[in-house]
Amino acid sequence: QSALTQPASVSASPGQSITLSCTGTSSDIGLYDYVSWYQHHPGKAPKLIISDVSNRPSGVSNRFSGSKSGNTASLTISGLQAEDEADYYCSSYTSKFTEDVVFGGGTKVTVL
Amino acid sequence: QVQLVQSGAEVKRPGASVKVSCKASGYRFTTYFIYWVRQAPGQGLEWMGLINPSGGSTSYAQKFRGRFNMTRDTSTSTVYMEMSSLRYDDTAVYYCTRAVRVVSAMDVWGQGTTVTVSS
Repeated sequence: QSALTQPASVSASPGQSITLSCTGTSSDIGLYDYVSWYQHHPGKAPKLIISDVSNRPSGVSNRFSGSKSGNTASLTISGLQAEDEADYYCSSYTSKFTEDVVFGGGTKVTVL
Repeated sequence: QVQLVQSGAEVKRPGASVKVSCKASGYRFTTYFIYWVRQAPGQGLEWMGLINPSGGSTSYAQKFRGRFNMTRDTSTSTVYMEMSSLRYDDTAVYYCTRAVRVVSAMDVWGQGTTVTVSS
């Protein structure tokens, strides 16, 4: 059971926008602005797409954007494209004793 | 370019040990933490722990304290993850990745090493 909660799957048609949620607690997402998002195509290495809640690394499409409210972070993908079909994971720094970083369980995005 | 290159796939018996390597290049090795993240079959990503290549200090997620040991060799810019007393549920893809600070995002990832525990 992952520390951060993500919906298992989201599907939409090309060109649409989707928002993925990531719910944590007051020990992680609610406490720090150190939320990041990763895109993971099966068989490949994960790719950082959002850091520090809303920063987009160089080279990442501006169709990806991040935000946070309270204990929940969100990733929005606008103008959905076929190559966006992948698993998306959120992670956060945490103040918990048990670990320094926690991940969500991942959301499978399907482009219809 | 900045790269993390991991060692090849391993197949081990239950109870055995395995040592996975992660060689860094293209940046100053001691300026980034190295994390290990694993993905079991059909499961999500799981943060295992980190090593600070500068001094060698480590921090492990509670689940991975005891059987897992991270070390580094600054002369070759390589980090190692040794796993002992392997169990069937250690079967997974193991990734190394880097972060400039403990709170920072993981910006470069290795290609992953598959460890299969099978009798």
